[in-house]
Order: sequence, then C-alpha cells, then structure tokens
Amino acid sequence: QVQLQESGPGLMKPSETLSLTCTVSGGSISSSYWSWIRQPPGKGLEWIGYISDTGSTNSNPSLKSRVTISGDTSKNQFSLKLRSVTAADTAFYYCAREDYDYSGGYFQHWGQGTLVTVSS
Amino acid sequence: QSVLTQPPSASGTPGQRVTISCSGSSSNIGSNTVNWYQQLPGTAPKLLIYSNNQRPSGVPDRFSGSKSGTSASLAISGLQSEDEADYYCTAWDDSLNGYYVFGTGTKVTVL
Repeated sequence: QVQLQESGPGLMKPSETLSLTCTVSGGSISSSYWSWIRQPPGKGLEWIGYISDTGSTNSNPSLKSRVTISGDTSKNQFSLKLRSVTAADTAFYYCAREDYDYSGGYFQHWGQGTLVTVSS
Repeated sequence: QSVLTQPPSASGTPGQRVTISCSGSSSNIGSNTVNWYQQLPGTAPKLLIYSNNQRPSGVPDRFSGSKSGTSASLAISGLQSEDEADYYCTAWDDSLNGYYVFGTGTKVTVL
C-alpha cells in the first residue's frame, strides 16, 4: 500500500521560498508520476506540477515561473520549491501519485496534506 | 487558464438521486478522460471515478460517471448522509505543455 507524507514549515513570510518534501513508502518514485496539488482554505483544488519516473517535470502555466519540482531516489522523496510566496499561496499542499490505465491518469494515492500559511 | 465549471451546490434527501455537471472545453474534457474526487471535511480528496466511468475498488456502485463531448456528470443514486461532501471533477488539458485542470467544486448536502 503506497503511503505519502508531506513535510515542511507551516508558517512563512512573504517573498520567502516555500520548500516541501513528500516521503513515499510502499512504492518507488522511480516508477509512475508524482504530483503536488494545493487547496487554499475553503477553496478549490489546483494542480501545481509533477515529476515523472525519469525525472522530467511539468508544472501549471500559472505557477511555472516560480515552481521547481525535484526528486531524490536515494531517499524515495520528491520536493516542491515555490519562490516569492505571497498570502495567495496560503493553502493545504498535497502530494499524490498519478496512476494510469489505457485511457489516462488519475490520483488514487494522496498524502494527508500540510497547511502552509504565508503571513508577515 | 482553463478551469472546469461545476454548480456550487447540490442537495437531496436520503434515497434520492443527485447529479453534478462538469463543463469544460475541447482541450480538456473534449480530448481526455474525466476523474471525480470526493472530499470529506478536513480530509484529502479521495478518487471516486476515473476514466470517465470507472469505479476504484471499494467505491459503492451508487456512484457513476459519464462524459459527452466537452461535459461530464457524476450521479449519486440512493443518496446517503455520508455522501455529504465536496466533489471535484478533473481532466488533463492539452494546451501549452499540458496540465491538469480541476472543477470549481460542488458541495453536496443531504437534507
């Protein structure tokens, strides 16, 4: 059974760089695609980006200029960096594994989420 | 940037059938499969329907999905109190380099 666990600071100041790590157990990050998804409190979901099994990355056009996603196969972890945060980046941040069938991908395995608050 | 449009709310009494719509465009729903997620208060989203109409193991057959053109629907038949939650549709969008778009979300209330 795949399990994902997010970790990182809960409180940040504007203009800082948000850094989160997702630790994966029960599966290898060298297989499948691994995504970051966020949700501002009381609002909807937004896909941030993914890192693939080969280490390639892709991110939401609205965040692309500020996002870096990387992986560490030795620790079976993948990470998110979001630069120059503002209050609008306050959200629950989830990591998730993307599974596939013949027709497309879907997120069946999610972490529990971690709340990041940006405030001066 | 693309987003999928859902009604903000839906409701029904126990046992009723509730349907949630999800409207997109040719670059997302029109070209790719739709997935649905259920989010109970204070928890991570849970996969409910994938590939338009497939249920993961453990999801009751009261939940069903369909897609036609650039729209999709989620139906909950035999509504139960534990179905009170937020529901989100999502699909891959082929524009730019490609990215996932989520629906605006629908709050289902069991009266």
